[in-house]
Amino acid sequence: QLQLQESGPGLVKPSETLSLTCTVSGGSISSSSYYWGWIRQPPGKGLEWIGSIYYSGSTYYNPSLKSRVTISVDTSKNQFSLKLSSVTAADTAVYYCARRPGGLAAFDIWGQGTMVTVSS
Amino acid sequence: QSALTQPASVSGSPGQSITISCTGTSSDVGSYNLVSWYQQHPGKAPKLMIYEGSKRPSGVSNRFSGSKSGNTASLTISGLQAEDEADYYCCSYAGSSLWVFGGGTKLTVL
Repeated sequence: QLQLQESGPGLVKPSETLSLTCTVSGGSISSSSYYWGWIRQPPGKGLEWIGSIYYSGSTYYNPSLKSRVTISVDTSKNQFSLKLSSVTAADTAVYYCARRPGGLAAFDIWGQGTMVTVSS
Repeated sequence: QSALTQPASVSGSPGQSITISCTGTSSDVGSYNLVSWYQQHPGKAPKLMIYEGSKRPSGVSNRFSGSKSGNTASLTISGLQAEDEADYYCCSYAGSSLWVFGGGTKLTVL
């Protein structure tokens, strides 16, 4: 069965770039009609959709984060990645990667999440 | 694109029914029947419970149901059980391949 696993530094300094990778196992990231997304959750707060990438490479970003976000896919490694630039303490959160089938208006499979703290 | 509005908390006794509301706008909830609901236990990843307003994924109890009226979607849990105690989030399609979540509701089973 398909599984997602986030990885990356747990601590990032203010003004630097946060970089995370989501590894897909048990299936191909290149399978047609799947979107791969990033969602975050600040401590004690709600979920926030960051953005998604279609298997073909088309990207869609939350307008509030669009100027700082880049999502990319590496089909050779069966991974997709998140880069968030110019981070501040407000970007401290658990970051989840998730799958959304094209024919399903919902995120059906989630990674376990990874905590990223922005601090000097 | 503002977060959908959910009550901060709801509670109910075992066996009772509760309903969680999720209020958006005519640009998201009101325009599309594409609201999903997620259950999140402490320290765990969210789990999909309802999609496209009222559909249940395989394996989700039929005690969970969803509906929509105007700009407000609702999640109803009937026959409350202790294991239903968790945070619940709604999410709606907002057009142009964008998505918006609600602020979350903490369900307490008394």
